[in-house]
Amino acid sequence: QVTLKESGPALVKPTETLTLTCTFSGFSLSSSGMRMAWIRQPPGKALEWLARIDWDDEKFYRTSMRTRLSIAKDTSKNQVVLTMTNMDPVDTGTYYCAHYTSGSPFDALDVWGQGTMVTVSS
Amino acid sequence: SYVLTQAPSVSVAPGKTATIACGGNNIVSKHVHWYQQKSGQAPVLVIHYDSDRPSGIPERFSGSNSGDTATLTISSVEAGDEADYFCQVWDNTDNHVVFGGGTKLTVL
Repeated sequence: QVTLKESGPALVKPTETLTLTCTFSGFSLSSSGMRMAWIRQPPGKALEWLARIDWDDEKFYRTSMRTRLSIAKDTSKNQVVLTMTNMDPVDTGTYYCAHYTSGSPFDALDVWGQGTMVTVSS
Repeated sequence: SYVLTQAPSVSVAPGKTATIACGGNNIVSKHVHWYQQKSGQAPVLVIHYDSDRPSGIPERFSGSNSGDTATLTISSVEAGDEADYFCQVWDNTDNHVVFGGGTKLTVL
């Protein structure tokens, strides 16, 4: 059974860097075809995909935020880390990590973490 | 970049059929996935690859994809189906995931 859990600060100040960790179980991100993503959701708004990391360490980022985002994996700890620089109040929202169904880059996100709420405020 | 368009809201009486549309340019050429998000909860995958139901999703949920519109259909709607529904595709031009703006389903 695949489970995911996000962790990180609930409050960050403008201009600071946000670091979020997704700790998972039930699979190995080093296995061929495995992929994970980060998605966020501002309060009352739609889902926004942020980044993806694949088993072979290939990475993809939301085009408009490419310069601010970094995704990395630690397969020994079963963790994926998202870093977002220069935080702004508009970045306030719930941040989710999610697991892709395996095998194709067109796959759906079949398991999601519970999400972690991040507020950006001075 | 690729854009998915959804109506903000749909209302349906219990026991009736709800139809939620997702519009995109030649969306039939893409694989469409659908997520249900109940208030205060994480999204749940209800349809993948246009019309396949993941394990545990009731047969009342079905999907189709044709031309410029993909559709999620929920038959015999129940009060527990009230939620936001998001469609999603992979944009292989920009190499990233695109979500629709979401449709809020209200059960009258």
